[in-house]
Amino acid sequence: QQQVKQSPQSLIVQKGGISIINCAYENTAFDYFPWYQQFPGKGPALLIAIRPDVSEKKEGRFTISFNKSAKQFSLHIMDSQPGDSATYFCAGGTGNQFYFGTGTSLTVIP
Amino acid sequence: EPEVTQTPSHQVTQMGQEVILRCVPISNHLYFYWYRQILGQKVEFLVSFYNNEISEKSEIFDDQFSVERPDGSNFTLKIRSTKLEDSAMYFCASGGSQREFLDTQYFGPGTRLTVL
Repeated sequence: QQQVKQSPQSLIVQKGGISIINCAYENTAFDYFPWYQQFPGKGPALLIAIRPDVSEKKEGRFTISFNKSAKQFSLHIMDSQPGDSATYFCAGGTGNQFYFGTGTSLTVIP
Repeated sequence: EPEVTQTPSHQVTQMGQEVILRCVPISNHLYFYWYRQILGQKVEFLVSFYNNEISEKSEIFDDQFSVERPDGSNFTLKIRSTKLEDSAMYFCASGGSQREFLDTQYFGPGTRLTVL
C-alpha cells in the first residue's frame, strides 16, 4: 500500500509564481515529514521538514503547511526560480523508516 | 561540509552475480540507511542500521540482501545473486549524530546498478 501519496506528478510554473505540491499520509504514527529536492543524477537533498505538532514551517522561500486532522501536508515554493527546477519528494515516517511519495517534477519557466 | 560518499558511481553486473555497494557515511553519524530508486520512480526504503545491527527493513530487503559495517567508516550493501529487477539507483544515507537530530538523513550521490 502507498503510505504517502503525492500530487501532482508534474508541475510547470512561471518564474516568480508559487509552486504547490501536496502530500497525504496514512499512518498516524508518523512523526516527521521531510521534503527532499533531487536534481538529475544526484541524491535527494533535505529541503525542509516538519513535525506534526506545528501547522506551518517557513524557511526562506519554502513553506510547509501541515494539517494533522486531514493527514495532509504541502510544500509551497514562493517566487519560484528556474534553479528550483527539480524533482521534489515528500516523505513521512518515524526515526528509522521513511516512506517517500512518488515525486513531483517541477519546471520553472523563465 | 561533510557528505556521504558512495562507490562505485556505476556498477554493471551479470544476472546471478554478487555485488557490493559501498558507502562512507558522515563520520559522527550513528544511523545508516539504504534506499533504492528504480528509474523514474519513487525512493524506496530498504534497511536501517544502528549499533551494528539492522533496526528496520522493508519487504524488499529479502535474504538476497545484507548490510555490514566492516570498520569504523564503511557501510556496505551486498546483493548475493542479482536479478534483472535489482537494476536501480541505490542511495546510502546517514543521520543522527545526536538523539534529537535522529530524523535528519543525508543522502549520498548514489550507485547506479545495472544487471544484464
